[in-house]
Amino acid sequence: KNQVEQSPQSLIILEGKNCTLQCNYTVSPFSNLRWYKQDTGRGPVSLTIMTFSENTKSNGRYTATLDADTKQSSLHITASQLSDSASYICVVSDVDSNYQLIWGAGTKLIIKP
Amino acid sequence: DAGITQSPRHKVTETGTPVTLRCHQTENHRYMYWYRQDPGHGLRLIHYSYGVKDTDKGEVSDGYSVSRSKTEDFLLTLESATSSQTSVYFCAISELQGYTFGSGTRLTVV
Repeated sequence: KNQVEQSPQSLIILEGKNCTLQCNYTVSPFSNLRWYKQDTGRGPVSLTIMTFSENTKSNGRYTATLDADTKQSSLHITASQLSDSASYICVVSDVDSNYQLIWGAGTKLIIKP
Repeated sequence: DAGITQSPRHKVTETGTPVTLRCHQTENHRYMYWYRQDPGHGLRLIHYSYGVKDTDKGEVSDGYSVSRSKTEDFLLTLESATSSQTSVYFCAISELQGYTFGSGTRLTVV
């Protein structure tokens, strides 16, 4: 079964510090990999979308990397801010199931002042 | 969220009753989706629509039905609510740059 696994489940860091969130997937072949940010009580909001041929993509202080050979992606957050407190979700588009999105369970990030 | 609204935002209902959740978009998008989100799980697709009166099942469609009589509205119905359907339900539309989600409906079945 196609899966998307994220680690850690939760993470607490101090404001201003950097952090890296991990995503491992088994979906193959895949069309694209996305990272979403979900604030408490809100719907997910797209941060980045990468095709299988892209290695890195940035969106402000967020940088996503993709290694299609090892089926791993990471999301690096630089100089964290209190507003970065949220869940971060990795999503992979499955070519064989008509591009259905396979969602990870997310990493809950808490930024402390 | 801009262009997509869900109603109600919160609902408590009794086991065995029918419940309808509404999703309304102002973006004229063809594709609309209903997901549920539960702790420890990724979002799971319930049903989706690719046009007026064109719908299809997702991975967790049992116990749910949908209707799309107008481009802007996508309704999700729990035919006879069960406690296992207690969840947060999200509607989404898809665009070239990705999906846009509504703010969700928190449904509690008691």
